[in-house]
Amino acid sequence: EAGVAQSPRYKIIEKRQSVAFWCNPISGHATLYWYQQILGQGPKLLIQFQNNGVVDDSQLPKDRFSAERLKGVDSTLKIQPAKLEDSAVYLCASRRGGRSSYEQYFGPGTRLTVT
Amino acid sequence: AQSVTQLGSHVSVSEGALVLLRCNYSSSVPPYLFWYVQYPNQGLQLLLKYTSAATLVKGINGFEAEFKKSETSFHLTKPSAHMSDAAEYFCAVSEFDSGGSNYKLTFGKGTLLTVNP
Repeated sequence: EAGVAQSPRYKIIEKRQSVAFWCNPISGHATLYWYQQILGQGPKLLIQFQNNGVVDDSQLPKDRFSAERLKGVDSTLKIQPAKLEDSAVYLCASRRGGRSSYEQYFGPGTRLTVT
Repeated sequence: AQSVTQLGSHVSVSEGALVLLRCNYSSSVPPYLFWYVQYPNQGLQLLLKYTSAATLVKGINGFEAEFKKSETSFHLTKPSAHMSDAAEYFCAVSEFDSGGSNYKLTFGKGTLLTVNP
């Protein structure tokens, strides 16, 4: 089966600009996650979707970050306006869903550099 | 709240030597535990997982980990390191919420493994 797809792979923007990332999860996976991975740290959960509803966005900086998952499939994560500290790799992951499904499958990530 | 501590941000071993990467966790409920590997410019790949079955878990590429409840540890080992094992390794703990719908991973900060020829 095809894995989690993300685009773009790399993005360089200036501070105060806006940027959007796209994620296509594995077909049939109900749960989708966005993580932020700052250099030298482990991934930190930003937001979790179950189908097209938000389950957990407690760590999402809502003044500048937004995310949506229309129709419960693809998802986009947006940053507006970007700050220098937003430089990181943004990882998307998906999971089939249900209590017997433990594994999250990760995409290759989008590396964002804010200058 | 759950948390993960990985001891040693950088571990260096010689090719053929034992690999030991340490992970300690904190969880208010019986945990599920994972080790992921990340190669440069790639996403995370699952190495192995503990989900309350056997305490010694075998994964891909010859890695294994042992769940020790008394020590709240889940250390990753491999008897003989290979050059291709050089990567960053992340330990993670997960739990479902009481409703069973919110399932999330909390990661450690990672350990960079270097393998010297």
